Amino acid sequence: GDSVTQMEGPVTLSEEAFLTINCTYTATGYPSLFWYVQYPGEGLQLLLKATKADDKGSNKGFEATYRKETTSFHLEKGSVQVSDSAVYFCALSGGGSNYKLTFGKGTLLTVNP
Amino acid sequence: GAVVSQHPSRVICKSGTSVKIECRSLDFQATTMFWYRQFPKQSLMLMATSNEGSKATYEQGVEKDKFLINHASLTLSTLTVTSAHPEDSSFYICSAREGFGGLGPHQPQHFGDGTRLSIL
Repeated sequence: GDSVTQMEGPVTLSEEAFLTINCTYTATGYPSLFWYVQYPGEGLQLLLKATKADDKGSNKGFEATYRKETTSFHLEKGSVQVSDSAVYFCALSGGGSNYKLTFGKGTLLTVNP
Repeated sequence: GAVVSQHPSRVICKSGTSVKIECRSLDFQATTMFWYRQFPKQSLMLMATSNEGSKATYEQGVEKDKFLINHASLTLSTLTVTSAHPEDSSFYICSAREGFGGLGPHQPQHFGDGTRLSIL
C-alpha cells in the first residue's frame, strides 16, 4: 500500500536558518503530494502541493519539488521565522488509496529568536 | 476560499453522553468528507470516509455503531460519538474535498480546526 516516510523531529532552528524536512513516499499509480502545517491546537492547513513529476509547489517561502526518480518531496525554506514553528505533515493521495490522504508521522519544528 | 468550519472546538462531558460534531464546507460543495482522530504528538488516523447521500466507509478497527457519521448534504457532515467513555477522549478533525474540481484524487483536502473531546 501507499506510505509516506518523513524526517523525525523535533527540529530546532534559530531564526533565519535554512530548513529542510525530508519526505519520501511509496505509492502505486501517479499520486499527488502535499505538505500540510498544523499550529498548536488547530487543524491542518494546506501549505503546498504538486500533482506531477518535476512540479514545484511553493507558498509563504516554502518550496518542495516532486522528484519521481527519488520518490521524494522534501520541504525547504531559505530563512525560517519564529512564526513557522508548527508540525509539518507530508502526505500523498491518488495512489492506490484513491482519494484518501496517506500521512507521514509529522515533524515538529521549533524556531527560536 | 475553501474554508471548512468544525464545531464545537472543545467539548467536556460525562461518561455515557453522546456528542455530535459538525463539519461544514462554507464556500464549496464537498461530495466527500473525512473524519480523523489524532492522539497527542501523533499523526492523523483516518476513521471514516463519508460521501454525500450514502453510507460512510469505516476504516478497519473503527466501530461504526460507536462513531455514527451522517453526510446529509453537500456542505455538512456530522460525527456522533455515542455513549462516550474516557478512552474516546481525543482530538477529532474533519476534512472536506471539493467534488467538482475535475482533479480527481489530486484535489486537496481542506481541514477544519478540530474538536478537542474530553470525557470525564
